[in-house]
Amino acid sequence: KNEVEQSPQNLTAQEGEFITINCSYSVGISALHWLQQHPGGGIVSLFMLSSGKKKHGRLIATINIQEKHSSLHITASHPRDSAVYICAVRDTGNQFYFGTGTSLTVIP
Amino acid sequence: GAGVSQSPRYKVAKRGQDVALRCDPISGHVSLFWYQQALGQGPEFLTYFQNEAQLDKSGLPSDRFFAERPEGSVSTLKIQRTQQEDSAVYLCASSFNTGTGGYSPLHFGNGTRLTVT
Repeated sequence: KNEVEQSPQNLTAQEGEFITINCSYSVGISALHWLQQHPGGGIVSLFMLSSGKKKHGRLIATINIQEKHSSLHITASHPRDSAVYICAVRDTGNQFYFGTGTSLTVIP
Repeated sequence: GAGVSQSPRYKVAKRGQDVALRCDPISGHVSLFWYQQALGQGPEFLTYFQNEAQLDKSGLPSDRFFAERPEGSVSTLKIQRTQQEDSAVYLCASSFNTGTGGYSPLHFGNGTRLTVT
């Protein structure tokens, strides 16, 4: 059983669409991270959150601790948003668990 | 540099060769993690250091895998007698861990892509 489940696995959107990627986890966490990985590139940390909501530009991340669920939203999507988005949780023992990622393609 | 640095960026090894992958974390980052990422998959945990102490190595797939961080900064992941199934991207990440209840972002290096032929 995976400690972190993401959906969808693959997502294709038209430029300008509103995008939501979901993450559910089963362990007790101290923080949840949303990461972005471009093909052939490294991983960039987008958000780290433990409660509520964070916003950075067109990106919004929310977390519901009681439901063990987080969402990453992208407003007004753009082709440069095309990447793999990974949800990762840090448990109370400082262990990280990663989802398998959501591959996003935004078509012009 | 300001980020996590990994070298080499690419490594091709013949089956049976030993390889050493290096990670330079961000200065002052106490926690250091190694991950293995197969094509199309999310990163899989290998091992974790707090300063020079290897606190968790439960993810190392076999005794051919060995990691060290002798002075609590640079870390090396060594793979002995490489096999084709070792082909993957090896990612290093570091963070500033303030202790119980302390949070810090996780910073990743660009990874080392290992291909075993």
